[in-house]
Amino acid sequence: SQQGEEDPQALSIQEGENATMNCSYKTSINNLQWYRQNSGRGLVHLILIRSNEREKHSGRLRVTLDTSKKSSSLLITASRAADTASYFCATDARAQGGSEKLVFGKGTKLTVNP
Amino acid sequence: DAGVIQSPRHEVTEMGQEVTLRCKPISGHDYLFWYRQTMMRGLELLIYFNNNVPIDDSGMPEDRFSAKMPNASFSTLKIQPSEPRDSAVYFCASSPYRGTQPQHFGDGTRLSIL
Repeated sequence: SQQGEEDPQALSIQEGENATMNCSYKTSINNLQWYRQNSGRGLVHLILIRSNEREKHSGRLRVTLDTSKKSSSLLITASRAADTASYFCATDARAQGGSEKLVFGKGTKLTVNP
Repeated sequence: DAGVIQSPRHEVTEMGQEVTLRCKPISGHDYLFWYRQTMMRGLELLIYFNNNVPIDDSGMPEDRFSAKMPNASFSTLKIQPSEPRDSAVYFCASSPYRGTQPQHFGDGTRLSIL
C-alpha cells in the first residue's frame, strides 16, 4: 500500500498566492522527501527533511514535519506560473524493515494561473 | 553533468512484441531504480540495483518483465511479450550512495502497447 498520501489531489491558485500541500504517511520514517514533476518530465528532488527535524526552508519552499501526526506539508510562497507541476512526497521504507527504497504518494497537481 | 538518460523517449508497438527500455545512470551512482507511472496506480517501484546487483524485484509485475544491469553505466528493462496493460511511463532513477537519499530521475519512456 502507499506509504505517503498527498492532499489535495489538485490545487488551482493565482500567481502570487501561497500553495500548501499535505502528505500523510503510515509508519515511522527516517526521512521524507518532496519532488516536483513537470508535464512530460521526470521527477526532480526538491527537499529532504529528516525525522528529527521539524521545519526546513529552501528558497520559496518551506517544509514541515510532524512525526507525532505522521504528516508533512509543503508550502510554496509567492507562487509563479512556472511552479505549475505535480508534487509528490516520498518516504523511506527502511523503518518498516524494507530495503533501500522510497515509496511515493500519488501527488498533488498544482496549477498556478497567471 | 549529464543526468540520467533514458531511451527511447516514446515507444509504440503491438501487443506480443518484445520491448526493451534503456537507462544510463549518473556516473558514480551506486543505486539504480526502475519505476512505472500510471494514472491509476501512481509511481510504482519495479526493481532496484545496488552496484549492478538486483536487490529487490518484488515490484516486477510478472515473469514477462525482466531487468539487467551488465555494468555500472547501463541497465535495461525488457517486457516480453508485451500487453496493452503494460502501457505506462517507465522511469529510471539513480542515487549516489543510499537508495533512500535523493534520487535523480530520467525523463522516462512513454510506452504504448496497441
